Amino acid sequence: QKEVEQNSGPLSVPEGAIASLNCTYSDRGSQSFFWYRQYSGKSPELIMFIYSNGDKEDGRFTAQLNKASQYVSLLIRDSQPSDSATYLCAGNTGFQKLVFGTGTRLLVSP
Amino acid sequence: DARVTQTPRDKVTEMGQEVTMRCQPILGHNTVFWYRQTMMQGLELLAYFRNRAPLDDSGMPKDRFSAEMPDATLATLKIQPSEPRDSAVYFCASGLIPGPGNTIYFGEGSWLTVV
Repeated sequence: QKEVEQNSGPLSVPEGAIASLNCTYSDRGSQSFFWYRQYSGKSPELIMFIYSNGDKEDGRFTAQLNKASQYVSLLIRDSQPSDSATYLCAGNTGFQKLVFGTGTRLLVSP
Repeated sequence: DARVTQTPRDKVTEMGQEVTMRCQPILGHNTVFWYRQTMMQGLELLAYFRNRAPLDDSGMPKDRFSAEMPDATLATLKIQPSEPRDSAVYFCASGLIPGPGNTIYFGEGSWLTVV
């Protein structure tokens, strides 16, 4: 079992809809979690991080963390075609190394 | 504009040749990671350093890969001898850990093709 798991997708949503991306993790010692966006042929870029249970909002993005269920999610409101990319979830383990899931490909259609 | 710098950006080499990839972390960052990304495996952690000391290289094939950090401004990843299965994108990332969110930032990657 991978330490961080994501559905590879693709997840297809129409422009203006809410995109919901999910991630589960196995290491209960993980303290903080990250969402990165990666466009094709580019490097991952940080969207946001979360380390407390509950929701954290930043513009159109909301990260949600449920440590009891070992579940992290990212909601993208008012999805735009420019949001089409692969979204990588990562967990920071007790050894403070960042372990990534394989990513979910998001397609936003005009 | 602080960023992680990687060289080379692209490398095509023949099987059996030595490949060296270099990384300059963001000034002031104390932790450097090497990741490999392929379509099948995603982003795999190969090795990481804190304050130049290697903390974990369990993700790295020891017989052909080596990672070093000769000084605070340079990290290297060597493959000798290279094999076609090493073809991938190799990313270096750096961060200040512990720090704000323990966030890390990626370089643009070294795209390696071994033929």
